[in-house]
Amino acid sequence: QSVLTQPPSASGTPGQRVTISCSGSSSNIGSNAVNWYQQLPGTAPKVLIYSKIHRPSGVPDRFSASKSGTSASLAISGLQSEDEADYYCAAWDDSLNGYVFGTGTKVTVL
Amino acid sequence: QLQLQESGPGLVKPSETLSLTCTVSGGSIRSTYYYWGWVRQPPGKGLEWIGTIYYSGSTYYNPSLKSRLTMSVDTSKNQFSLKLSSVTATDTAIYYCARHASYSGNYGPTVPFDYWGQGTLVTVSS
Repeated sequence: QSVLTQPPSASGTPGQRVTISCSGSSSNIGSNAVNWYQQLPGTAPKVLIYSKIHRPSGVPDRFSASKSGTSASLAISGLQSEDEADYYCAAWDDSLNGYVFGTGTKVTVL
Repeated sequence: QLQLQESGPGLVKPSETLSLTCTVSGGSIRSTYYYWGWVRQPPGKGLEWIGTIYYSGSTYYNPSLKSRLTMSVDTSKNQFSLKLSSVTATDTAIYYCARHASYSGNYGPTVPFDYWGQGTLVTVSS
């Protein structure tokens, strides 16, 4: 059972802004950087954002992240059909001494 | 371009040991700035970190798997491996090998995975 909790689903129409939350604790989100991954159907995950502001080359700036206390969020602005995927937050957990993933959120473009 | 490729049996019997190898090409596994890991995903479910290893052999294991898990590295072959003992049906999953990124002086098991293998499905069944 994951220590990072995300809503199971989120949706929006093309062009809308969608936000995904990730709730953790002081030992993970509260004290370490949060990473966000996108997993398109049938493919390996791809890191979207790490340490809040770093975006690998090729990741559009429509994706942005924020963190407050023990919660984090990923925002997708100008939603596009190709954004339909599963999204996972992740962070190092100091108590578990391990890397933990969120429960995952499936984004649907209506 | 860095590439990672998982290999190993696709079917393992219950109570036996699951063994997988990840072959790294396009880069050296001996790099000071990179750690290497395994992540699995049961069919239709979420991601679970299994463990991470450094070329020196230092390891970090998921506490829930630690008693059954052994990871190793073979720098001469540019490979790293995992062995998971006493498997049950709950170990059925797609297993991915991946590299932890290095950025702005940050590297280690706490940073995200930037390169992934394509994944290999391992089914535990008699």
